[in-house]
Amino acid sequence: TQLLEQSPQFLSIQEGENLTVYCNSSSVFSSLQWYRQEPGEGPVLLVTVVTGGEVKKLKRLTFQFGDARKDSSLHITAAQPGDTGLYLCAGTETSGSRLTFGEGTQLTVNP
Amino acid sequence: EPEVTQTPSHQVTQMGQEVILRCVPISNHLYFYWYRQILGQKVEFLVSFYNNEISEKSEIFDDQFSVERPDGSNFTLKIRSTKLEDSAMYFCASRLTSQPQHFGDGTRLSIL
Repeated sequence: TQLLEQSPQFLSIQEGENLTVYCNSSSVFSSLQWYRQEPGEGPVLLVTVVTGGEVKKLKRLTFQFGDARKDSSLHITAAQPGDTGLYLCAGTETSGSRLTFGEGTQLTVNP
Repeated sequence: EPEVTQTPSHQVTQMGQEVILRCVPISNHLYFYWYRQILGQKVEFLVSFYNNEISEKSEIFDDQFSVERPDGSNFTLKIRSTKLEDSAMYFCASRLTSQPQHFGDGTRLSIL
């Protein structure tokens, strides 16, 4: 059974600060997705990474897939209160198979 | 933008009763999934469905659970005899070939 460990579990920062969320596993993933989930809603896809070493940017968010495809990170630059939410990483072992989710990182950005 | 829709948003059921959760996947998607999230826990895979049959299921998806695509648009999850521990958020997801999964907003199932 594949496991994804996210850290930190909770993160509270001030507006304008930078932060990084980590997603680690001992298993290799064919792809890894980052989702954001608001209370009472389903996970909303932010990005998919599939190639080892891949870096993708989405405005102030930078996503990286580890060279060995076992880990990923999400870096947010100059965080804003609107970035507050639950960030989930989820991976697929083989193309198209089930998603294995991490526990999530609850981010709070204080004005 | 097309989205996965789930109904009802909240379902309250007596223990032992049958419940059907409904999902309308994105119209041209081919692969369908159910996940659940018990309060305070991670999202867990239940089952995947493709070409009118189950393609993969987890150990959670026992004989009490079944899925069906009764027509060209709906994808349902049935729990035959609900237990207290079935209380959770249930998420439906769908995708195209070689594309990521897109999730609905979930059904909150409360078993009394």
